[in-house]
Amino acid sequence: EVQLLESGGGLVQPGGSLSLSCAASGLSFSSYAMSWVRQAPGKGLEWVSGISGSGVTTYYADSVKGRFTISRDNSENTLYLQMNTLRVDDTAVYYCAKAYGGVSDGKFDYWGQGTMVTVSS
Amino acid sequence: AIRITQSPSSLSASTGDRVTITCRASQGISSYLAWYQQKAGKAPKLLIYAASTLQSGVSSRFSGSGSGTEFTLTISCLQSEDFASYYCQQYYSHPWTFGQGTKVEIK
Repeated sequence: EVQLLESGGGLVQPGGSLSLSCAASGLSFSSYAMSWVRQAPGKGLEWVSGISGSGVTTYYADSVKGRFTISRDNSENTLYLQMNTLRVDDTAVYYCAKAYGGVSDGKFDYWGQGTMVTVSS
Repeated sequence: AIRITQSPSSLSASTGDRVTITCRASQGISSYLAWYQQKAGKAPKLLIYAASTLQSGVSSRFSGSGSGTEFTLTISCLQSEDFASYYCQQYYSHPWTFGQGTKVEIK
């Protein structure tokens, strides 16, 4: 059974940094693209960043480009999101999501339970 | 970025009703559209991909149609467990984008 478990969320001041992790199990991790998707309180879903199965290719939403960095360690079956220069509007539940198909697919068939990031002074 | 306009933003319906939700893309996306269901406090669940392909294990009450720029999700006979929020998402080109969501509430 595929399981995705996020960690690393918390309270951080504006301008601060936070690093999220997503531990994956029950799948051939390197075979799948992965993404981070966030949801601000009471709002809809926003795709944040994605990475190919090999880790070579990365993609970002304009709202986080230059501030967030996605990476993965296929030997540890773990996905990461380094978030710098955080803003109040980055406050959200952050989900990691597994791509359904191959290394660059964009639909998501498994999601973690989410980790809450709160940016506030 | 491709904009996805989803409507309505909310609707009230009764058990047994037929419900239709629409998504319009700002440019053609072929059939690269997925639908998700999200219940309060839970992660989204993939219902349909490639505009009309039902994900394994999903009830046949759900169906999707469309291609190009107009897509619909239909719930044929609303059940109590279907009261939730629904999102469409295009995966034709980066950045992947979601519709604003539709909350299906009990009338």
